[in-house]
Amino acid sequence: AAGVIQSPRHLIKEKRETATLKCYPIPRHDTVYWYQQGPGQDPQFLISFYEKMQSDKGSIPDRFSAQQFSDYHSELNMSSLELGDSALYFCASRVQGVNEKLFFGSGTQLSVL
Amino acid sequence: AQSVTQLGSHVSVSEGALVLLRCNYSSSVPPYLFWYVQYPNQGLQLLLKYTTGATLVKGINGFEAEFKKSETSFHLTKPSAHMSDAAEYFCAVRVAGDKIIFGKGTRLHILP
Repeated sequence: AAGVIQSPRHLIKEKRETATLKCYPIPRHDTVYWYQQGPGQDPQFLISFYEKMQSDKGSIPDRFSAQQFSDYHSELNMSSLELGDSALYFCASRVQGVNEKLFFGSGTQLSVL
Repeated sequence: AQSVTQLGSHVSVSEGALVLLRCNYSSSVPPYLFWYVQYPNQGLQLLLKYTTGATLVKGINGFEAEFKKSETSFHLTKPSAHMSDAAEYFCAVRVAGDKIIFGKGTRLHILP
């Protein structure tokens, strides 16, 4: 069965560069969530989208932006990267509904040097 | 490698009844264990976590979980369910320096 696909798996950037992470939800899933997990840290919710509209916002820095496209994939854009942005970024997707399950991607490991 | 298994993708309890959500883990080294909750249309929220020390961990909203090494379990309980507890609950495991692994989640339904 198809799963949540994230690309790239690994990304190395330098300070002040930009990065774009992509999340491809399971087919028919209309809701996407982004999380950040720093080294040795617990995951932090960043932002979520439903039907291409932002549905909830967590601790996402102003330097980051995200959107969901018409095919429901989502991109997390990160500018002016800082060393502290080094983390695992993973997304999750679901079909909106009371009983629909949440599925997680494997994440993108971002290293800022 | 570590893994986590949640027993039951859906659990229904009556309002006021005991909530018990089961989680078993597998880890070759002492794990950190977590329970997260996701309410409709919201991101994950941390309910509670076990790192070291006391094996009975108390979290928010009256939930607690007990780390039982001999049973490799970390079941989540609440003495009396409330309608507002209806949500999806995720057990997770992490070892130091590694990424968190989530279970498949258990949807908790509260019956009036």
